Amino acid sequence: GAGVSQSPSNKVTEKGKDVELRCDPISGHTALYWYRQSLGQGLEFLIYFQGNSAPDKSGLPSDRFSAERTGGSVSTLTIQRTQQEDSAVYLCASSFYQETQYFGPGTRLLVL
Amino acid sequence: DQQVKQNSPSLSVQEGRISILNCDYTNSMFDYFLWYKKYPAEGPTFLISISSIKDKNEDGRFTVFLNKSAKHLSLHIVPSQPGDSAVYFCAASVISGTYKYIFGTGTRLKVLA
Repeated sequence: GAGVSQSPSNKVTEKGKDVELRCDPISGHTALYWYRQSLGQGLEFLIYFQGNSAPDKSGLPSDRFSAERTGGSVSTLTIQRTQQEDSAVYLCASSFYQETQYFGPGTRLLVL
Repeated sequence: DQQVKQNSPSLSVQEGRISILNCDYTNSMFDYFLWYKKYPAEGPTFLISISSIKDKNEDGRFTVFLNKSAKHLSLHIVPSQPGDSAVYFCAASVISGTYKYIFGTGTRLKVLA
């Protein structure tokens, strides 16, 4: 079946603007995760959804970051008032409960 | 504080030889470990995993070894192929928790033909 998809694949925005990043998980996967990878860094956990609820938001770097998941499927990560340090690759992963996570191709965000 | 460390940012190996990628962790609560491979402009691809009840798991050319007392795991690729050239990330998690993965910073493997 289809893998995890993310859109857009690339996003260039100006500092101070809001951006929305979308993730479509593998059909039937119950858990969804957002990570980000900054230049030269490993993958950094942001938030975890089980169904539509987010029991772990501990990785969100500031209150400018928020995420929601609807219908137990699609998730949107929103970054308000973007800053240059938000530039990174944002990766989404999904899994069936606590089984192995499968990643999408990522959204490359550049804040000018 | 980096809980999962990959101290070698890069590694070059001749085709056909063994590649050994290393990973150290500090949190003794971790009980599940994984290796992912990442090509440029793609998301990480799952390679192999191991739970803390085992010390070795093998899948084809890939073998992961876990040394719990040393808090160390390694990925062996034998024989190495040019298509194995990628960035390799190790990750660790606590199964009883939210299952979020804590990743290392990656090792760039280059297999020379």
